[in-house]
Amino acid sequence: GENVGLHLPTLSVQEGDNSIINCAYSNSASDYFIWYKQESGKGPQFIIDIRSNMDKRQGQRVTVLLNKTVKHLSLQIAATQPGDSAVYFCAESFLGGNQFYFGTGTSLTVIP
Amino acid sequence: DVKVTQSSRYLVKRTGEKVFLECVQDMDHENMFWYRQDPGLGLRLIYFSYDVKMKEKGDIPEGYSVSREKKERFSLILESASTNQTSMYLCASGRGETYGYTFGSGTRLTVV
Repeated sequence: GENVGLHLPTLSVQEGDNSIINCAYSNSASDYFIWYKQESGKGPQFIIDIRSNMDKRQGQRVTVLLNKTVKHLSLQIAATQPGDSAVYFCAESFLGGNQFYFGTGTSLTVIP
Repeated sequence: DVKVTQSSRYLVKRTGEKVFLECVQDMDHENMFWYRQDPGLGLRLIYFSYDVKMKEKGDIPEGYSVSREKKERFSLILESASTNQTSMYLCASGRGETYGYTFGSGTRLTVV
């Protein structure tokens, strides 16, 4: 079918390096964003969130950056470990909306 | 630990069968969602519910229905399964569009 050949964006990094995963969002009215991690065979898990009144938020080994001017979101993972290998999704929502909208995801592979 | 539990991890059904996918959450969330996940297409919303006995169509409701008789349980029904409904099905629950979702582990359905 016409969807054959569609692939996730992929990123391969060496263990110990930093990873940066990018996401372009579509709705300028979106004001809340989440990054999810999905390991093989599991459902997505919440990693970190950020609201539109911030441009940076840090968690444990992860940082999310928000650039509202160009509608861009990034997830930075410090000192990437093999356990970080997964598919990462961004999701956006807006106050008064009724759901989240998900990106197609980026597959991160950590090379030992 | 809060949980969204999907009744089956793997299911194999025949074309034309009626299929029930069950989802239960223990977080007293008002909102529940059913997504399907296909390679290269990301998460696509099938149906969602904001309250008991209410339902709203998502982006791809055709061929599906849902039932929410109790707050904690949201069922997805394939009235007559077809091979193009072979997919990973993810259930999620949440408190609102400004809070993250909690996902179940998914049900991988194969229709033969």
